[in-house]
Amino acid sequence: DQQVKQNSPSLSVQEGRISILNCDYTNSMFDYFLWYKKYPAEGPTFLISISSIKDKNEDGRFTVFLNKSAKHLSLHIVPSQPGDSAVYFCAAIYSGGGADGLTFGKGTHLIIQP
Amino acid sequence: EPEVTQTPSHQVTQMGQEVILRCVPISNHLYFYWYRQILGQKVEFLVSFYNNEISEKSEIFDDQFSVERPDGSNFTLKIRSTKLEDSAMYFCASSVRGGNLKDNEQFFGPGTRLTVL
Repeated sequence: DQQVKQNSPSLSVQEGRISILNCDYTNSMFDYFLWYKKYPAEGPTFLISISSIKDKNEDGRFTVFLNKSAKHLSLHIVPSQPGDSAVYFCAAIYSGGGADGLTFGKGTHLIIQP
Repeated sequence: EPEVTQTPSHQVTQMGQEVILRCVPISNHLYFYWYRQILGQKVEFLVSFYNNEISEKSEIFDDQFSVERPDGSNFTLKIRSTKLEDSAMYFCASSVRGGNLKDNEQFFGPGTRLTVL
Protein backbone atom coordinates (compact mmCIF):
# COMPACT_ATOMS: atom_id res chain seq x y z
CA ASP A 1 0.00 0.00 0.00
CA GLN A 2 1.85 3.04 -1.29
CA GLN A 3 0.53 5.97 0.71
CA VAL A 4 3.33 8.20 -0.58
CA LYS A 5 4.22 7.89 -4.23
CA GLN A 6 7.12 9.25 -6.20
CA ASN A 7 6.35 8.14 -9.72
CA SER A 8 9.61 9.22 -11.33
CA PRO A 9 12.45 6.86 -10.37
CA SER A 10 14.94 9.24 -11.95
CA LEU A 11 15.22 12.77 -13.31
CA SER A 12 18.01 14.35 -15.29
CA VAL A 13 18.44 18.16 -15.27
CA GLN A 14 21.09 20.47 -16.65
CA GLU A 15 23.21 22.42 -14.21
CA GLY A 16 21.77 25.87 -13.59
CA ARG A 17 18.22 24.89 -14.57
CA ILE A 18 15.28 24.19 -12.28
CA SER A 19 14.76 20.69 -10.86
CA ILE A 20 11.18 19.77 -10.00
CA LEU A 21 10.57 16.62 -8.00
CA ASN A 22 7.03 15.44 -7.52
CA CYS A 23 5.25 13.48 -4.82
CA ASP A 24 1.65 12.33 -4.42
CA TYR A 25 -0.05 10.96 -1.35
CA THR A 26 -3.26 9.09 -0.75
CA ASN A 27 -3.79 9.43 2.99
CA SER A 28 -5.72 12.67 3.57
CA MET A 29 -4.84 12.49 7.26
CA PHE A 30 -1.19 13.37 6.59
CA ASP A 31 -0.57 16.84 7.98
CA TYR A 32 3.17 17.33 7.71
CA PHE A 33 5.48 16.68 4.78
CA LEU A 34 9.24 16.53 4.49
CA TRP A 35 11.88 16.14 1.81
CA TYR A 36 15.09 14.23 2.44
CA LYS A 37 18.18 13.89 0.28
CA LYS A 38 20.34 10.77 0.32
CA TYR A 39 23.81 10.13 -1.01
CA PRO A 40 25.06 6.53 -1.42
CA ALA A 41 26.32 4.95 1.82
CA GLU A 42 24.83 7.77 3.91
CA GLY A 43 21.59 8.24 5.81
CA PRO A 44 18.82 10.54 4.58
CA THR A 45 19.52 14.24 5.21
CA PHE A 46 16.63 16.54 6.06
CA LEU A 47 16.12 19.29 3.47
CA ILE A 48 12.85 21.12 3.97
CA SER A 49 9.37 20.56 5.38
CA ILE A 50 5.89 21.99 5.12
CA SER A 51 2.85 21.87 7.34
CA SER A 52 -0.55 21.16 5.79
CA ILE A 53 -1.72 24.61 6.85
CA LYS A 54 0.68 26.17 4.35
CA ASP A 55 1.00 25.88 0.59
CA LYS A 56 4.59 27.00 0.19
CA ASN A 57 7.82 26.97 2.14
CA GLU A 58 11.11 28.34 0.90
CA ASP A 59 14.66 27.85 2.14
CA GLY A 60 17.41 29.19 -0.08
CA ARG A 61 17.44 27.30 -3.38
CA PHE A 62 14.77 24.88 -2.16
CA THR A 63 11.03 25.51 -2.27
CA VAL A 64 8.31 23.03 -1.42
CA PHE A 65 4.77 23.51 -2.73
CA LEU A 66 1.77 21.70 -1.30
CA ASN A 67 -1.55 21.28 -3.11
CA LYS A 68 -3.84 19.65 -0.56
CA SER A 69 -6.83 19.32 -2.85
CA ALA A 70 -4.72 17.36 -5.34
CA LYS A 71 -2.77 15.57 -2.57
CA HIS A 72 0.38 16.62 -4.33
CA LEU A 73 3.62 18.24 -3.30
CA SER A 74 6.69 19.23 -5.22
CA LEU A 75 10.25 20.25 -4.47
CA HIS A 76 11.83 22.92 -6.64
CA ILE A 77 15.60 23.39 -6.70
CA VAL A 78 16.80 26.57 -8.38
CA PRO A 79 19.45 26.75 -9.69
CA SER A 80 20.45 23.10 -9.77
CA GLN A 81 24.05 22.37 -8.87
CA PRO A 82 26.23 19.25 -9.36
CA GLY A 83 26.17 18.56 -5.61
CA ASP A 84 22.39 18.21 -5.81
CA SER A 85 22.81 14.86 -7.57
CA ALA A 86 21.33 12.40 -5.06
CA VAL A 87 18.19 10.40 -4.29
CA TYR A 88 15.35 12.58 -2.98
CA PHE A 89 12.71 11.11 -0.71
CA CYS A 90 9.34 12.60 0.02
CA ALA A 91 7.98 11.72 3.47
CA ALA A 92 4.73 12.37 5.30
CA ILE A 93 3.37 12.04 8.80
CA TYR A 94 -0.03 12.15 10.46
CA SER A 95 1.06 13.85 13.61
CA GLY A 96 -2.46 14.64 14.80
CA GLY A 97 -2.90 11.02 15.79
CA GLY A 98 0.20 11.10 17.96
CA ALA A 99 2.18 9.31 15.28
CA ASP A 100 5.92 9.74 15.01
CA GLY A 101 6.92 7.49 12.15
CA LEU A 102 7.51 8.96 8.72
CA THR A 103 5.98 7.30 5.66
CA PHE A 104 8.44 7.53 2.79
CA GLY A 105 8.10 7.40 -0.96
CA LYS A 106 10.44 5.22 -3.01
CA GLY A 107 12.64 8.13 -4.00
CA THR A 108 13.67 9.94 -7.17
CA HIS A 109 17.27 9.84 -8.33
CA LEU A 110 18.17 13.35 -9.46
CA ILE A 111 21.11 13.63 -11.84
CA ILE A 112 22.50 17.09 -12.53
CA GLN A 113 24.32 17.19 -15.83
CA PRO A 114 27.12 19.73 -16.45
CA GLU B 1 27.73 19.95 13.69
CA PRO B 2 26.12 17.28 15.90
CA GLU B 3 25.16 14.08 14.12
CA VAL B 4 23.62 10.69 14.74
CA THR B 5 26.18 7.89 14.74
CA GLN B 6 25.64 4.17 14.24
CA THR B 7 27.78 1.09 14.82
CA PRO B 8 28.73 -1.17 13.23
CA SER B 9 28.57 0.08 9.66
CA HIS B 10 28.17 -3.51 8.42
CA GLN B 11 27.06 -6.59 10.36
CA VAL B 12 27.08 -10.10 8.93
CA THR B 13 25.28 -12.81 10.89
CA GLN B 14 23.93 -16.31 10.53
CA MET B 15 20.20 -16.93 10.38
CA GLY B 16 18.80 -17.49 13.87
CA GLN B 17 21.45 -15.45 15.62
CA GLU B 18 20.76 -12.39 17.74
CA VAL B 19 22.09 -9.01 16.63
CA ILE B 20 22.25 -5.66 18.39
CA LEU B 21 22.52 -2.50 16.33
CA ARG B 22 23.75 0.56 18.16
CA CYS B 23 23.02 4.24 17.76
CA VAL B 24 24.09 7.41 19.51
CA PRO B 25 21.41 10.06 18.89
CA ILE B 26 22.10 13.80 18.94
CA SER B 27 22.59 14.74 22.57
CA ASN B 28 19.72 17.19 23.13
CA HIS B 29 17.18 15.12 21.18
CA LEU B 30 14.36 13.43 23.04
CA TYR B 31 12.73 11.25 20.35
CA PHE B 32 14.47 8.26 18.80
CA TYR B 33 13.53 6.11 15.85
CA TRP B 34 14.55 3.05 13.87
CA TYR B 35 13.85 2.62 10.16
CA ARG B 36 14.95 0.00 7.66
CA GLN B 37 15.46 -0.06 3.91
CA ILE B 38 15.52 -3.39 2.13
CA LEU B 39 17.62 -3.19 -1.03
CA GLY B 40 15.69 -1.54 -3.83
CA GLN B 41 12.73 -0.67 -1.63
CA LYS B 42 11.61 2.37 0.31
CA VAL B 43 12.65 3.41 3.80
CA GLU B 44 10.18 1.89 6.29
CA PHE B 45 9.39 3.02 9.82
CA LEU B 46 9.95 0.43 12.55
CA VAL B 47 9.59 2.10 15.94
CA SER B 48 9.77 5.37 17.85
CA PHE B 49 10.89 5.80 21.44
CA TYR B 50 10.28 8.62 23.88
CA ASN B 51 10.61 9.01 27.63
CA ASN B 52 12.08 5.50 27.95
CA GLU B 53 9.24 3.72 26.26
CA ILE B 54 7.99 2.82 22.81
CA SER B 55 5.81 5.61 21.45
CA GLU B 56 4.72 3.99 18.20
CA LYS B 57 5.59 0.83 16.27
CA SER B 58 4.78 -0.47 12.82
CA GLU B 59 3.52 -3.94 11.96
CA ILE B 60 7.06 -4.85 10.92
CA PHE B 61 8.20 -4.44 14.55
CA ASP B 62 7.09 -7.82 15.86
CA ASP B 63 8.17 -9.79 18.92
CA GLN B 64 11.57 -10.51 17.36
CA PHE B 65 12.48 -6.84 17.70
CA SER B 66 13.18 -4.80 20.83
CA VAL B 67 14.65 -1.41 21.58
CA GLU B 68 16.45 -0.11 24.58
CA ARG B 69 18.16 3.01 25.86
CA PRO B 70 20.63 1.34 28.22
CA ASP B 71 22.32 4.57 29.29
CA GLY B 72 22.11 8.30 28.64
CA SER B 73 23.60 8.17 25.18
CA ASN B 74 23.01 4.85 23.39
CA PHE B 75 19.85 3.61 21.68
CA THR B 76 19.84 0.00 20.53
CA LEU B 77 17.78 -2.24 18.26
CA LYS B 78 17.89 -5.95 19.01
CA ILE B 79 16.72 -8.65 16.63
CA ARG B 80 16.37 -11.84 18.65
CA SER B 81 16.51 -14.50 15.95
CA THR B 82 17.45 -13.10 12.57
CA LYS B 83 15.79 -14.25 9.37
CA LEU B 84 17.05 -13.94 5.80
CA GLU B 85 14.43 -11.26 5.14
CA ASP B 86 15.87 -9.08 7.93
CA SER B 87 18.77 -8.26 5.60
CA ALA B 88 18.50 -4.51 5.08
CA MET B 89 20.00 -1.14 5.87
CA TYR B 90 18.90 -0.05 9.34
CA PHE B 91 18.77 3.68 10.04
CA CYS B 92 18.54 5.30 13.44
CA ALA B 93 17.10 8.81 13.68
CA SER B 94 16.46 11.35 16.40
CA SER B 95 14.55 14.60 16.80
CA VAL B 96 14.11 17.30 19.41
CA ARG B 97 10.34 16.89 19.39
CA GLY B 98 7.81 14.63 17.77
CA GLY B 99 4.52 14.90 15.98
CA ASN B 100 3.76 18.18 14.24
CA LEU B 101 5.58 20.39 16.71
CA LYS B 102 8.34 22.76 15.71
CA ASP B 103 11.78 21.08 15.70
CA ASN B 104 10.26 17.70 14.85
CA GLU B 105 12.62 17.13 11.92
CA GLN B 106 14.22 13.70 12.18
CA PHE B 107 17.97 13.51 11.67
CA PHE B 108 19.28 10.19 10.39
CA GLY B 109 22.47 8.28 11.04
CA PRO B 110 24.55 6.71 8.25
CA GLY B 111 22.95 3.30 8.74
CA THR B 112 24.06 -0.25 9.54
CA ARG B 113 23.97 -2.75 6.71
CA LEU B 114 22.76 -6.05 8.14
CA THR B 115 23.41 -9.17 6.08
CA VAL B 116 21.80 -12.41 7.26
CA LEU B 117 23.27 -15.58 5.72
